[in-house]
Amino acid sequence: SAVISQKPSRDICQRGTSLTIQCQVDSQVTMMFWYRQQPGQSLTLIATANQGSEATYESGFVIDKFPISRPNLTFSTLTVSNMSPEDSSIYLCSVELANEQFFGPGTRLTVL
Amino acid sequence: GQNIDQPTEMTATEGAIVQINCTYQTSGFNGLFWYQQHAGEAPTFLSYNVLDGLEEKGRFSSFLSRSKGYSYLLLKELQMKDSASYLCGLADSWGKLQFGAGTQVVVTP
Repeated sequence: SAVISQKPSRDICQRGTSLTIQCQVDSQVTMMFWYRQQPGQSLTLIATANQGSEATYESGFVIDKFPISRPNLTFSTLTVSNMSPEDSSIYLCSVELANEQFFGPGTRLTVL
Repeated sequence: GQNIDQPTEMTATEGAIVQINCTYQTSGFNGLFWYQQHAGEAPTFLSYNVLDGLEEKGRFSSFLSRSKGYSYLLLKELQMKDSASYLCGLADSWGKLQFGAGTQVVVTP
């Protein structure tokens, strides 16, 4: 199995600011995934982060709004830029290992 | 696209069995996942189907029929702690997951 940690676990931010979320895995993985879960909704994939290349974004998500870094095989960051109240969500990172998908504990973001 | 449909909510009594259906329309996928998510927590992995048929893991079983575009998650001997949202997700060959809206299961005494 994989143990995934995220920082911060939660934050309250002002409109117009940016927040960077960190994701650390205890195993080396090729791809890491970032998901968003808006209140009362299911999970939606934001992007796939590969080490050594640019992240691949899903429809409706762009790099300027959600820049991603992947400096090595165990770590990734997601930045939520120029935040608005609509960005209030839980952000989760995920990895695949041995045909199982593991999720981090999530970062609960509230934008005022 | 991968329209993934699940019932919104199901209610069952403690000790009973509940079956959560998931139907989808897609041109192809690697595997189908089921997750459990308690309120305020991250999803936890329950089961994974690649081939048609039944996968059993203790009180939880999952079934897949690719030709029918259909899966279900079976929860037996329901316990109060099973009250949660259950998510059906399709994974592509890269591991990307697309989820249904989730089914809220309410277990009553």
